[in-house]
Amino acid sequence: GAGVSQSPSNKVTEKGKDVELRCDPISGHTALYWYRQSLGQGLEFLIYFQGNSAPDKSGLPSDRFSAERTGGSVSTLTIQRTQQEDSAVYLCASSPDRGHEKLFFGSGTQLSVL
Amino acid sequence: GDSVTQMEGPVTLSEEAFLTINCTYTATGYPSLFWYVQYPGEGLQLLLKATKADDKGSNKGFEATYRKETTSFHLEKGSVQVSDSAVYFCALSESEGGSEKLVFGKGTKLTVNP
Repeated sequence: GAGVSQSPSNKVTEKGKDVELRCDPISGHTALYWYRQSLGQGLEFLIYFQGNSAPDKSGLPSDRFSAERTGGSVSTLTIQRTQQEDSAVYLCASSPDRGHEKLFFGSGTQLSVL
Repeated sequence: GDSVTQMEGPVTLSEEAFLTINCTYTATGYPSLFWYVQYPGEGLQLLLKATKADDKGSNKGFEATYRKETTSFHLEKGSVQVSDSAVYFCALSESEGGSEKLVFGKGTKLTVNP
């Protein structure tokens, strides 16, 4: 596709359930980021993938959060045993290389934990 | 760690008014600075950037100058339009320890009335 695609666009789940959020980056982009945007807050960095390098997981808020990127393309962010404070918009972004001059964001997944 | 502080909104202006959105940062190194814009229903997109002190980024009539002495990167536009209504995020790029991540401010919502 022409841009970064995220699915689902909206997800409502019950507290304690696991959820998976998907990101399809722009073809050929080696860098992929996940951010979280909570109501009234800025974007919070979660995780960064660059090519075949070990990901930077320093932003993951707890061990309930994990992410993987298969084949250097599609990425999945998994949240286990969801809590109400996990409710937020989860944004994915990709870039053709290191740096942020050509960073493209998806429209995000709105996660609501009831 | 590095941080970004931007003026809290919301900001409401009439068409053709002058716009300033203040942004200051704290960084240990020499980051690149960015303004991102999020139009209603769309993903974030890069508005402008500056990579070193005294650089001026500009796009779509918006400007911001990288001021190292005041650690600021204020966004300005001389005459806003209704179509500029959006949320604006100031951000800096960290590149310490081999990681690449953007640190964002909390965003400023701008509404321009006709």
